[in-house]
Amino acid sequence: DSGVTQTPKHLITATGQRVTLRCSPRSGDLSVYWYQQSLDQGLQFLIQYYNGEERAKGNILERFSAQQFPDLHSELNLSSLELGDSALYFCASSLTSTKQETQYFGPGTRLLVL
Amino acid sequence: GENVEQHPSTLSVQEGDSAVIKCTYSDSASNYFPWYKQELGKGPQLIIDIRSNVGEKKDQRIAVTLNKTAKHFSLHITETQPEDSAVYFCAATGAGSYQLTFGKGTKLSVIP
Repeated sequence: DSGVTQTPKHLITATGQRVTLRCSPRSGDLSVYWYQQSLDQGLQFLIQYYNGEERAKGNILERFSAQQFPDLHSELNLSSLELGDSALYFCASSLTSTKQETQYFGPGTRLLVL
Repeated sequence: GENVEQHPSTLSVQEGDSAVIKCTYSDSASNYFPWYKQELGKGPQLIIDIRSNVGEKKDQRIAVTLNKTAKHFSLHITETQPEDSAVYFCAATGAGSYQLTFGKGTKLSVIP
């Protein structure tokens, strides 16, 4: 158990809908990262937050957004969902925001868009 | 940006044999190389990592080697056991970047 928690574990929704995925980092960690894992694209970095502020952006679609709250939990919002958004979404956390820092992954949220 | 290639995509070994997984990266300024193990239905779990100031690191049956000149790094698992069966991912952190770039993964099967 990494100490990173994610809810929900599974999510089934329809195209065009909007969902929110939630992540709580390990106790004491200030950075949160979101990754998408799909069969064809592998594990891809979406976005990073550090202590409430956006720190880095990866291949995140404009339909997706995220935020980190004062209690350091983070939410990833996915809107206007398409079939291709079906994937595993992982949250990871690290202590600070240095470049060589270990990232600890949560168990993921499996999203299925029908 | 950084690009990480991982080989092989699948690997089957007999229990007790060694397994080697290789990765190459494109950004010569990359300086952090973790390896993750992902079991079915779970998130990636860090098993070992190496930073650019060392060439090799060992932790019991697992070792990682890094060749910065050739821009490749490898995971070595000795005396494999059935519980080593999983998907293994290598990753690298590119220059000026905080996020990890992952390889496509290697599905390791250890046959009892």
